[in-house]
Amino acid sequence: DGGITQSPKYLFRKEGQNVTLSCEQNLNHDAMYWYRQDPGQGLRLIYYSQIVNDFQKGDIAEGYSVSREKKESFPLTVTSAQKNPTAFYLCASSTSTGGGYTFGSGTRLTVV
Amino acid sequence: AQSVSQHNHHVILSEAASLELGCNYSYGGTVNLFWYVQYPGQHLQLLLKYFSGDPLVKGIKGFEAEFIKSKFSFNLRKPSVQWSDTAEYFCAVNHGSSNTGKLIFGQGTTLQVKP
Repeated sequence: DGGITQSPKYLFRKEGQNVTLSCEQNLNHDAMYWYRQDPGQGLRLIYYSQIVNDFQKGDIAEGYSVSREKKESFPLTVTSAQKNPTAFYLCASSTSTGGGYTFGSGTRLTVV
Repeated sequence: AQSVSQHNHHVILSEAASLELGCNYSYGGTVNLFWYVQYPGQHLQLLLKYFSGDPLVKGIKGFEAEFIKSKFSFNLRKPSVQWSDTAEYFCAVNHGSSNTGKLIFGQGTTLQVKP
């Protein structure tokens, strides 16, 4: 079955360390997205990519970085510059025509 | 900047009660509209979507939504809720003419249905 795989499901890191969250899709979707979900704030867009080797900042890109070297993969790095990194991170993909997203199951990152 | 507002943050209903969750957006151009649901411990799933045509859209599990262009609204309704509808609901919008597919989400509404 086609879908999006995010790993790991839970991640713990010490403050000051960079951490990379994985997102892989086998839907042949052109576009991929990273969102951050916090209670009472909905989903906020971090980065998105419409094609391989190209990506754009979303509304809250500071302290994050991404790469899109392959169509199937869109990893997100949470850097030490991110002031409040503890959150639930969701990856999604869509066709380039904007017909709605398919979501992964998310990664809950806790920084201690 | 485009924004989406969900007015009800937490709704508590008894089973068989009717549901209406409000969603308003700020963009004045052509829009595509979506409702997503997140059941406890599960990933976000699409409930329904509106691109064009009949403004009354029917989705899965008995949900429907009505697009009212003059009010910039896309409210979600269900005539009779069940305990299994307990979940968080998100309204989302993107530009109908946009080729990015980028969705703007509302803050979410937590629905708790009492058996």
